[in-house]
Amino acid sequence: EDQVTQSPEALRLQEGESSSLNCSYTVSGLRGLFWYRQDPGKGPEFLFTLYSAGEEKEKERLKATLTKKESFLHITAPKPEDSATYLCAVQGDAGNMLTFGGGTRLMVKP
Amino acid sequence: EADIYQTPRYLVIGTGKKITLECSQTMGHDKMYWYQQDPGMELHLIHYSYGVNSTEKGDLSSESTVSRIRTEHFPLTLESARPSHTSQYLCASSEWLNSEAFFGQGTRLTVV
Repeated sequence: EDQVTQSPEALRLQEGESSSLNCSYTVSGLRGLFWYRQDPGKGPEFLFTLYSAGEEKEKERLKATLTKKESFLHITAPKPEDSATYLCAVQGDAGNMLTFGGGTRLMVKP
Repeated sequence: EADIYQTPRYLVIGTGKKITLECSQTMGHDKMYWYQQDPGMELHLIHYSYGVNSTEKGDLSSESTVSRIRTEHFPLTLESARPSHTSQYLCASSEWLNSEAFFGQGTRLTVV
């Protein structure tokens, strides 16, 4: 059974204070690892897909990296508008569906 | 921006009523999904569809049912709503199974 664990559950940062969110996973044959951003009361918004260890993707202040056991979402010089819950999900060979982690709730104070 | 729409956004309804949550997408995606999410909690898959006339139950047991008569439409129905059904319901679609899923804005259901 695929499993995804995200840490920390909540993270408070000052504006400009860079940090990283962690997504640890166990999956039989990784087909893809996905990062989403979710604002309160809304559906998740797709950010990145990573397919193999060593892969990196960037978008504005966000950079996602992947190893064989975990993924990191690095946030460089965050702004208050980056405040949201960040979700990680994996898709493995055993099942066809996404398995989501519990998310990291990020709060960036001005 | 993803073209997937859910209606209604908010619904408050009495116990025992029949309800249908609507989900439509204009991207021509074959794969569609329904997730349930309680506040601050994980998303749990309750139904999915590979295409027209295909529906499957997800990991989380649900008393709801779904249908897929048209590619773009994937409604979810509760025959008799109960307070335990109170939650947020999220619809999503993807081009194929290992591609990113696009989500609707969700329907927040409250059963009183």
